[in-house]
Amino acid sequence: DTEVTQTPKHLVMGMTNKKSLKCEQHMGHRAMYWYKQKAKKPPELMFVYSYEKLSINESVPSRFSPECPNSSLLNLHLHALQPEDSALYLCASSQGLLGTSYEQYFGPGTRLTVT
Amino acid sequence: GIQVEQSPPDLILQEGANSTLRCNFSDSVNNLQWFHQNPWGQLINLFYIPSGTKQNGRLSATTVATERYSLLYISSSQTTDSGVYFCAVERASGSRLTFGEGTQLTVNP
Repeated sequence: DTEVTQTPKHLVMGMTNKKSLKCEQHMGHRAMYWYKQKAKKPPELMFVYSYEKLSINESVPSRFSPECPNSSLLNLHLHALQPEDSALYLCASSQGLLGTSYEQYFGPGTRLTVT
Repeated sequence: GIQVEQSPPDLILQEGANSTLRCNFSDSVNNLQWFHQNPWGQLINLFYIPSGTKQNGRLSATTVATERYSLLYISSSQTTDSGVYFCAVERASGSRLTFGEGTQLTVNP
């Protein structure tokens, strides 16, 4: 099974709200990723977790806060977002990270609208 | 960082036609993936192909790592092939996937 699941599928939130995006995989992968994708552009990496530790933060504003409670789950906590943060947020996972390259598998995404 | 260029940026075909999409990259890579993004946003893995040739049904891909390019072939295209095709590469030492800008494919009935 090569499935990554994400909830919710759609989210509309105001600029003062706090919400969370969730991602789950049961493939035994040890690396998990958050990407942001704007319309008609490629995905852009935000965060990488390797073995449940944050290993890459691509200078993402602090209003985005990732969390990896265990090796199967990845959350992205959102607070005080701006309308320009509206985008498709994609989660991905791969077998490992540490100096080796593995195929990444993506979830279906959460389409976020900030009003 | 590594540069990834995809061509053509847009492609319109009639159903049944064949096509070739190209991905050029500027440095040695350990990982190269082709994805199809459907209209709902799902990125579907097509090939994991850092080198060599693979085939899956009507699709095939070839990566010539020494010359830093990869080709995706779509034969007998169908309307369901429409969407954006992305090439993504990763340099050595487990860095990160860098995506090209994609090829927007439209297959008309």
